[in-house]
Amino acid sequence: QKEVEQDPGPLSVPEGAIVSLNCTYSNSAFQYFMWYRQYSRKGPELLMYTYSSGNKEDGRFTAQVDKSSKYISLFIRDSQPSDSATYLCAMIGGGNKLTFGTGTQLKVEL
Amino acid sequence: NAGVTQTPKFRVLKTGQSMTLLCAQDMNHEYMYWYRQDPGMGLRLIHYSVGEGTTAKGEVPDGYNVSRLKKQNFLLGLESAAPSQTSVYFCASTTAGGPSEQFFGPGTRLTVL
Repeated sequence: QKEVEQDPGPLSVPEGAIVSLNCTYSNSAFQYFMWYRQYSRKGPELLMYTYSSGNKEDGRFTAQVDKSSKYISLFIRDSQPSDSATYLCAMIGGGNKLTFGTGTQLKVEL
Repeated sequence: NAGVTQTPKFRVLKTGQSMTLLCAQDMNHEYMYWYRQDPGMGLRLIHYSVGEGTTAKGEVPDGYNVSRLKKQNFLLGLESAAPSQTSVYFCASTTAGGPSEQFFGPGTRLTVL
């Protein structure tokens, strides 16, 4: 079993839809949670970074962490075609090593 | 400020050939990482370095070697390439201390025939 599970998609939604992306994890040592966005043929870029359980909002993006359920989510409101990318969840337990999910491919269609 | 750069962008090798991938960062970061990304597997850590002159193994180190002779550079070597090493390779860097954002390079697409 992988330490981090993420549905690979692809997920296709119409412009303006609310998108929900999720990851589950099994390692209780994970304390820091990140979402990276990766456009086609580019390197990943950090989108959101959270530590504690609860919600963190940044513009149209909301990251949610539920440590008791070992479940994290990323919500995108009013999705735009420019949001079309692969979204990777990532987690840190100790040191500065990231453990990534496999990524969810999102397409927002006009 | 170029951030993290990787050389080359693309490469095709024959089985058994060797090559070196170069990563350079201009952010004065202590930590540097090499990942490979394969379909359905996500990003997997190959080797990493927590400072000049130090290296350590990650999740999938077999078949690769690394060196960090200068703080700004991190080299990934393939001594005898195999088709299983066909992948996209990403370098990343971050500051020392607590957990922090890793900055990624644009990637190197390697095909081993």
